[in-house]
Amino acid sequence: EPEVTQTPSHQVTQMGQEVILRCVPISNHLYFYWYRQILGQKVEFLVSFYNNEISEKSEIFDDQFSVERPDGSNFTLKIRSTKLEDSAMYFCASNRAVVEETQYFGPGTRLLVL
Amino acid sequence: QKEVEQNSGPLSVPEGAIASLNCTYSDRGSQSFFWYRQYSGKSPELIMFIYSNGDKEDGRFTAQLNKASQYVSLLIRDSQPSDSATYLCAVTNDYKLSFGAGTTVTVRA
Repeated sequence: EPEVTQTPSHQVTQMGQEVILRCVPISNHLYFYWYRQILGQKVEFLVSFYNNEISEKSEIFDDQFSVERPDGSNFTLKIRSTKLEDSAMYFCASNRAVVEETQYFGPGTRLLVL
Repeated sequence: QKEVEQNSGPLSVPEGAIASLNCTYSDRGSQSFFWYRQYSGKSPELIMFIYSNGDKEDGRFTAQLNKASQYVSLLIRDSQPSDSATYLCAVTNDYKLSFGAGTTVTVRA
């Protein structure tokens, strides 16, 4: 069964450094998403991406964040200058359509900013 | 602010019993409704989706949606120890999923 994959599974970085989190969505999916979950808190939407552009973003997704689909398979989230409060689990998700379509989640990347 | 609220846990049920989970949402424009299961340190895993008012059954799970009351529920029948997890209610409006904080269920053997 097709799955969303994410790399790396864990990332430790110093405050102020740039990180890139990578995702490979399910191959026939058209919509891609990033969510994050701070330890002990709820899953929060960051951004959705369709047809090579952002379709919606949350207040969390400020200028420090960017997304890109550099090729036909990868979908990346870049945090330009990490802060301590960016420490969280980051989940990538994808689906085929927006309406009445389940989003399937990858296993996540645990980011720790020191 | 679009909110999704779930009944506070944790919920402890004996093996074989029914676990009942509730969720309310504030945005009347919400279109689709999902229950995900999340084990500690893992990603959300889809349990069920429901789009129309009424009940939907899938094995031991039954979801119920009442759009007029802005209410979604999940029943887990014949609860098993492997059902011990946090259950997340999620709703969509436009592109994003809005999640509740989750209800942690523990099934006692």
